[in-house]
Amino acid sequence: GAVVSQHPSWVICKSGTSVKIECRSLDFQATTMFWYRQFPKQSLMLMATSNEGSKATYEQGVEKDKFLINHASLTLSTLTVTSAHPEDSSFYICSVSDRNRDTQYFGPGTRLTVL
Amino acid sequence: RKEVEQDPGPFNVPEGATVAFNCTYSNSASQSFFWYRQDCRKEPKLLMSVYSSGNEDGRFTAQLNRASQYISLLIRDSKLSDSATYLCVVKDTGFQKLVFGTGTRLLVSP
Repeated sequence: GAVVSQHPSWVICKSGTSVKIECRSLDFQATTMFWYRQFPKQSLMLMATSNEGSKATYEQGVEKDKFLINHASLTLSTLTVTSAHPEDSSFYICSVSDRNRDTQYFGPGTRLTVL
Repeated sequence: RKEVEQDPGPFNVPEGATVAFNCTYSNSASQSFFWYRQDCRKEPKLLMSVYSSGNEDGRFTAQLNRASQYISLLIRDSKLSDSATYLCVVKDTGFQKLVFGTGTRLLVSP
């Protein structure tokens, strides 16, 4: 399967600051990457689908101006949480899919804590 | 109603036991089904895909019942290392996205 990395693995920030999370596909070119978040004891929820070279597609209820996604290359997608608030504290996970989109490989996740 | 429903557990079993998890899904048009495993504070990892005819991978057996919209996972001869949360995942055919259940927690004790 694909090797996916995320950076940072955890971050603590003050309310109002912006945080950028990187997702890298290390061993294959990912035309599509997905961003999820998971609150404690809840399921993973898809936030957006990131397509290389085009605008991301956001799920209903996810503010695109708050969660900025950039997928500028086939190996890198970034998620920026702008003006973070304590309710944004969560586990953010990216994934990449293979060509037929049947299998997704997940990054190790980034744990965000907003004070 | 949630799109994918699972019993959250926890299921507490001794080593060597056989344990089964169930999952129901609401979208009858779903075409692909998976079981993922998630360890505490880690990312989900694909355990196995689920095929219509049922499939087995070592100690793990997955079954799909399309008529009842029901998926199962059977683990035989449980190991301590099987302790984790097992996520039932369904692929939305229309939008090609994965829909996750909340997971069933398994605790295998010595």
